[in-house]
Amino acid sequence: EVQLVESGGGLVKPGGSLRLSCAGSGFPFNNAWMSWVRQVPGKGLEWLGRIKRKTEGGTTEYAAPVKGRFTISRDDSKNTLYLQMNSLKTEDTAIYYCATENYGDYVLHYWGQGTLVTVSS
Amino acid sequence: DIVMTQSPDSLAVSLGERATINCKSSQTLLYNFNNKNYLAWYQQKPGQPPKLLIYWASTRESGVPDRFSGSGSGTDFTLTISRLQAEDVAVYYCQQYASSPPTFGQGTKVAIK
Repeated sequence: EVQLVESGGGLVKPGGSLRLSCAGSGFPFNNAWMSWVRQVPGKGLEWLGRIKRKTEGGTTEYAAPVKGRFTISRDDSKNTLYLQMNSLKTEDTAIYYCATENYGDYVLHYWGQGTLVTVSS
Repeated sequence: DIVMTQSPDSLAVSLGERATINCKSSQTLLYNFNNKNYLAWYQQKPGQPPKLLIYWASTRESGVPDRFSGSGSGTDFTLTISRLQAEDVAVYYCQQYASSPPTFGQGTKVAIK
């Protein structure tokens, strides 16, 4: 059974940093393209970025609102995906989900339960 | 970025009746080279993450009941729940993956009448 478990959320002040983790199991993590998506509670979904599998370069791409502030990385030896968030703004307050793409086509087949990040002074 | 617009924002349907959700994209999602529409549908129940229902506009994800069906092409798409069940109460999102960044519709909330 595929499982994705996010952690690392919490309360942080504007301008601060936070690193989220996403532990995967039940599937070949090193073979997966992985994405981060966020959702302001009660609102819609926003794709943040993704990282390719290492065999395809392990490269990343980001949505404009987070490019230059957020960094996605992976440690396949730990089956873990990361989201480093810097220069946080109040509008970054959201539930952050990690998700898998089966075929590198942005279709998100499996999702974690999410972790809440609150940016507030 | 491609803008996805869903309608209606919410609807209430009687148990066993049909629910229809529309999704319109600002650009075509049909690629001529493979004749595929790059459109997916997700279901999100309260307190849960989204769940993939349909991709390529009409291909059901494994395990999704056949009362869920997707149709449409180009810029206009529809998700149909043929006989609404109580467990189908949720918010439904369309998503385009024809170009980066992938973008979602604003969501349609389905309730029981």
